[in-house]
Amino acid sequence: DQQVKQNSPSLSVQEGRISILNCDYTNSMFDYFLWYKKYPAEGPTFLISISSIKDKNEDGRFTVFLNKSAKHLSLHIVPSQPGDSAVYFCAASEYGNKLVFGAGTILRVKS
Amino acid sequence: ETGVTQTPRHLVMGMTNKKSLKCEQHLGHNAMYWYKQSAKKPLELMFVYNFKEQTENNSVPSRFSPECPNSSHLFLHLHTLQPEDSALYLCASSQDWNGGATNEKLFFGSGTQLSVL
Repeated sequence: DQQVKQNSPSLSVQEGRISILNCDYTNSMFDYFLWYKKYPAEGPTFLISISSIKDKNEDGRFTVFLNKSAKHLSLHIVPSQPGDSAVYFCAASEYGNKLVFGAGTILRVKS
Repeated sequence: ETGVTQTPRHLVMGMTNKKSLKCEQHLGHNAMYWYKQSAKKPLELMFVYNFKEQTENNSVPSRFSPECPNSSHLFLHLHTLQPEDSALYLCASSQDWNGGATNEKLFFGSGTQLSVL
């Protein structure tokens, strides 16, 4: 059973609008969460992370929100740009254990 | 070159072939990883090496054999694979392995797209 789930396989957003990518997890012991972005023919690259002691982390146009009670995190991209079109992977870990990845969400930003 | 380099980018092999995937990292990291990504599935951790020592084998079949001669190079030797082994194989590195990648960003290569016929 998957411990990290990205229930939306794909998302399409208009340029300039907000993109919201969601991720749910089942393991309440997870204490660190990351988002990776992957372009075609390239490996995933680290985007942003958040520790369980926080509920928000912001880096430019990217903000990650963590709701521990709901075991849910989301990535907000504002404003969305065509270059943001990629596959976004959510990942989580419990200290001392390996990263667990979600299956990814394909984001398409239309110009 | 910088970052993590994987060769070949694409590989087609028969079930009786023997081939090897190569990974090299130029980041001075101590930990290296092999991941498998099948279509529409999460990345699956296969192996972890920390300071050249294998620290994690995630119940991977013996037809996959890793080799880590030094902290900069990682190989994945393949033999008698099955069609269901067709996937994208990603190499990654991180500064250290603390039993997991907690607080450790992974740096990935571009992957080898493997097709087993």
